[in-house]
Amino acid sequence: DADVTQTPRNRITKTGKRIMLECSQTKGHDRMYWYRQDPGLGLRLIYYSFDVKDINKGEISDGYSVSRQAQAKFSLSLESAIPNQTALYFCATSDFSASNTGELFFGEGSRLTVL
Amino acid sequence: AQKITQTQPGMFVQEKEAVTLDCTYDTSDPSYGLFWYKQPSSGEMIFLIYQGSYDQQNATEGRYSLNFQKARKSANLVISASQLGDSAMYFCAMREYNTGTASKLTFGTGTRLQVTL
Repeated sequence: DADVTQTPRNRITKTGKRIMLECSQTKGHDRMYWYRQDPGLGLRLIYYSFDVKDINKGEISDGYSVSRQAQAKFSLSLESAIPNQTALYFCATSDFSASNTGELFFGEGSRLTVL
Repeated sequence: AQKITQTQPGMFVQEKEAVTLDCTYDTSDPSYGLFWYKQPSSGEMIFLIYQGSYDQQNATEGRYSLNFQKARKSANLVISASQLGDSAMYFCAMREYNTGTASKLTFGTGTRLQVTL
């Protein structure tokens, strides 16, 4: 089983619908992230969380919300999906300490299409 | 200003040849790290190599090496002896350790590498 698991892997929805992407991890990392990938734009940070009580906006948080239900779970919600939120979404984790680089460990991605 | 710039949207290389993927970065933080990730067509993100700003030696991992030129703020990925399986999108990323962004990786726009026979 993957250390960082995203569900669903693929989702097609309609404009205006509420969508939740879920992420769970077994790595025991404290930090979790949601990134969005668009062709030609690379990966852009939506939200990140240091622990269950700490949520931070990234560079493109408008139209999104998150919930850190437990150390191992971090969900991304689109309250009212719009077509330009069609993208590949990645959850990632890191264990940032003085003893390591803070490398990100990624889930397999969730491809979302908003019609 | 872009923190990470990858100027090559696409590259071709013949099998068994070496290829260099460019990455330049912009930071005023003296403590930072540079990462390269590979994304094959299946979509997953695979960590390849890391270089710390204080590392004296260029990082190497198997066929991957990082040509780190600190004064030029460049961190180019060199893949030696290219294989068909190296065909993928490659992303350069940076983490700044002393700023408020220490928890985040900032990514470039990527370079798509195609290895040909």
